[in-house]
Amino acid sequence: DGGITQSPKYLFRKEGQNVTLSCEQNLNHDAMYWYRQDPGQGLRLIYYSQIVNDFQKGDIAEGYSVSREKKESFPLTVTSAQKNPTAFYLCASSNRQRSYGYTFGSGTRLTVV
Amino acid sequence: KNEVEQSPQNLTAQEGEFITINCSYSVGISALHWLQQHPGGGIVSLFMLSSGKKKHGRLIATINIQEKHSSLHITASHPRDSAVYICAVSTVDSNYQLIWGAGTKLIIKP
Repeated sequence: DGGITQSPKYLFRKEGQNVTLSCEQNLNHDAMYWYRQDPGQGLRLIYYSQIVNDFQKGDIAEGYSVSREKKESFPLTVTSAQKNPTAFYLCASSNRQRSYGYTFGSGTRLTVV
Repeated sequence: KNEVEQSPQNLTAQEGEFITINCSYSVGISALHWLQQHPGGGIVSLFMLSSGKKKHGRLIATINIQEKHSSLHITASHPRDSAVYICAVSTVDSNYQLIWGAGTKLIIKP
């Protein structure tokens, strides 16, 4: 079945370390997104990509980096510059016209200790 | 004031009750989305609508563009419906951004 795979589900890292979250989709979607969710808050957009080798900053891109070398993959790196990285991270994708809505992954819960 | 407001924030009901969750927005939209987030965190898209009404099983979503308001209804609610229900809108101005409501936490007791 088509869908989005995020891995790992839980991730623990020491403060000051960079960490990369994986997001893979087999839906042939052009657009992919990374969101951050904090307790009691709505999702906030970190980065999005409409096509391969192109991506744009969302509302809270500082301290994060992404790449889009393949259509299927949109990894997110949480760098040591991100001041408060502990959060739940969700990846999503859509077709370019978004006519069928969005598909979400199951998320990665990152804890920095 | 948030651009997408949901109410109530929390809702507890007995199994079998008819559930209504409301969403109001203040921006021009191209579509409104209802999503479901289970305790594990994964999100499932329930509906995307730009007018009228959609139904899927026991779930019904309606939207009134003039009043900038949408409702999600659950008929014959069941404990497995317990989840956070989130309203989000795709705006006219921004092709790829969603504006998110804070979510409604629904608990259905057996």
